[in-house]
Formats: sequence, structure tokens, C-alpha cells
Amino acid sequence: AQSVTQPDIHITVSEGASLELRCNYSYGATPYLFWYVQSPGQGLQLLLKYFSGDTLVQGIKGFEAEFKRSQSSFNLRKPSVHWSDAAEYFCAVGAEGGSQGNLIFGKGTKLSVKP
Amino acid sequence: KAGVTQTPRYLIKTRGQQVTLSCSPISGHRSVSWYQQTPGQGLQFLFEYFSETQRNKGNFPGRFSGRQFSNSRSEMNVSTLELGDSALYLCASCPSGKNIQYFGAGTRLSVL
Repeated sequence: AQSVTQPDIHITVSEGASLELRCNYSYGATPYLFWYVQSPGQGLQLLLKYFSGDTLVQGIKGFEAEFKRSQSSFNLRKPSVHWSDAAEYFCAVGAEGGSQGNLIFGKGTKLSVKP
Repeated sequence: KAGVTQTPRYLIKTRGQQVTLSCSPISGHRSVSWYQQTPGQGLQFLFEYFSETQRNKGNFPGRFSGRQFSNSRSEMNVSTLELGDSALYLCASCPSGKNIQYFGAGTRLSVL
């Protein structure tokens, strides 16, 4: 069965420092991969997506992610974190054999930013 | 273009009652999906509707049901509420052929 693992429940970084959030997936075919961000009390905002092609994808707010098939990973990165990046981040994969509307999410990583 | 709109934003019910949540997708989107988010289980897929037909269903009891109308608006219903149904219920819509879901702000349901 498909699954998504985000090993880090909570990460704290200093403002201006670099960030990497880890995501590993289990999927039989070429996956559709996503990163979403959720601020407290809000819905999910799409940061970036990978469907095929270039394995380094750029997203909004200065985020990027790299798809590594050999490691079954899709880690999210940002070179310099801003205080406004504090939120919860979710990695998701499109369900195998499913339609467009069935995503499997990781448990999320909560990001705190120190001034 | 307006985003995905969910109503109400907050809801308080008691055990045994039933509840209906509403979702208006982005104009032109025909696919609507529902998710339940809890601290313990995280984000879990409930069901997806496309052109008024349920296309996919997650692993939830029959107390959870949904429907979609001809204008793509969707409702989900939970009957005989249990304390464990307290959650943030998120709706997402998807443009045809794009495989990208856009989420609403959610409905926070508290069951007392």
C-alpha cells in the first residue's frame, strides 16, 4: 500500500538559516508528489508538485524540492527561512490507481522559527 | 477567481446528532474531495465526487456520506456523531486533467 513518511514531527530553525524537511514515500509506479503548507486554523496551500521530468522543482515562497527515485524521497528545501514560514508542512502522494482526488498525506512536520 | 469555500467554519454538535457540511469548489472545477484531519490520525481521505458521482471512497464507516450537485457544490453528512468525529474537515477541488487539489479553509467540527 502507498504511504508517506515524514520522519521529523517538529523542527526548529533560526531565521535566515537553511531548511530541509524530509519526506519518504512508498509507491508502485511513478508518483505524483506534493508539498502543502498549513498555517494555524487554515486550509492547505500548495507549495510545489512533481509529476515527471526535471527532478528539482521550484515552488512558491522560495521553496524547492528534489525527487530522488533511488531513495524514494522528495525533500523540501529553502535556503533562508523567514519567520513567516513557521507552519506545518505536509508531503503527499497521489494514490496509485486512484483518480485525481485521492491524496495520501504524511503526518506533517511542524516548523518553528527562532528570531 | 474565488477559492474553495466551506461553510460553516465552526460547528458544535452533541453525540448522536447529525451534521451537514458544505463545499463550493473553484468555478469550473468538477472534482471535489473531502478529508478529515485530526491530531492523532492526520489527514485522511474521505471521498471524492466528480460530475455528481462518487469516484473514490476512503476507509470510513457508512455514517459518513456525501453528495455532489449539478453545479459541482458538494455536501458531506455525518450521522450519529461520535466524540471521535471531532476534527477539521477539509474540502478540495481539482480542475479536470490537472491532478492538483486546491483546499478550502475547512470546517472545524466539535462533538460534545
